[in-house]
Amino acid sequence: DIQMTQSPSSLSASVGDRVTITCRASENIRRYLNWYQQKSGKAPKVLIYGASSLQSGVPSRFSGSGSGTDFTLTISSLQPEDFATYYCQQSYQGFTFGPGTRVDIK
Amino acid sequence: QVQMVQSGAEVKRPGASVKVSCKTSGYIFTDYHLHWVRQAPGQGPEWMGWMNPNTGGTDYALDFQGRVTMTRDTSIRTAYLELSRLTPDDTAVYYCARQGGSGSNYKMDFDFWGQGSLVTVSS
Repeated sequence: DIQMTQSPSSLSASVGDRVTITCRASENIRRYLNWYQQKSGKAPKVLIYGASSLQSGVPSRFSGSGSGTDFTLTISSLQPEDFATYYCQQSYQGFTFGPGTRVDIK
Repeated sequence: QVQMVQSGAEVKRPGASVKVSCKTSGYIFTDYHLHWVRQAPGQGPEWMGWMNPNTGGTDYALDFQGRVTMTRDTSIRTAYLELSRLTPDDTAVYYCARQGGSGSNYKMDFDFWGQGSLVTVSS
């Protein structure tokens, strides 16, 4: 099974900050990597698919990069509605989620 | 617009089974794979498996093989998840989710989700 790790597990940031979250796969997953945002009590929402493609309707302050085993999600200027938990997911072999990164207000 | 509406909360005893439904609308049901994901309290999502609504074919995650069954009724565009031999560790919110692509341009994400169905297992 492919295992996913994320860092950090949580971070505190201010509105307007640039935020970067890292995701690592236990083996090469090419670009089969998705990023989701989840708010309390709601289903996850896809932000990025294929490592770097922005899902329709998602603000352009979200971007993704990477391939192989190392990936990043960047929020260029954090907005109040971005405080949430973010998960990466590999879709190369099965569909494993990472443990999540909680972004809260500093 | 795409909608996925799940059945309500359930409380089950250990050893029992539960069946959750996911009624879809707004798209061609048989054109998109349908996945089930669960999320225990305070934990991250856990993928359980997927079903091809066109053929009924399934692929279950190893952790659930032998205990999970995914089915569908194409006449009412509804998918079902059944999980047997429940234990308290199965207490979670269960989600259905549509797979948004077939791998072209690396698109194999979950683009629409149901609202979730809370299953509580307790004696």
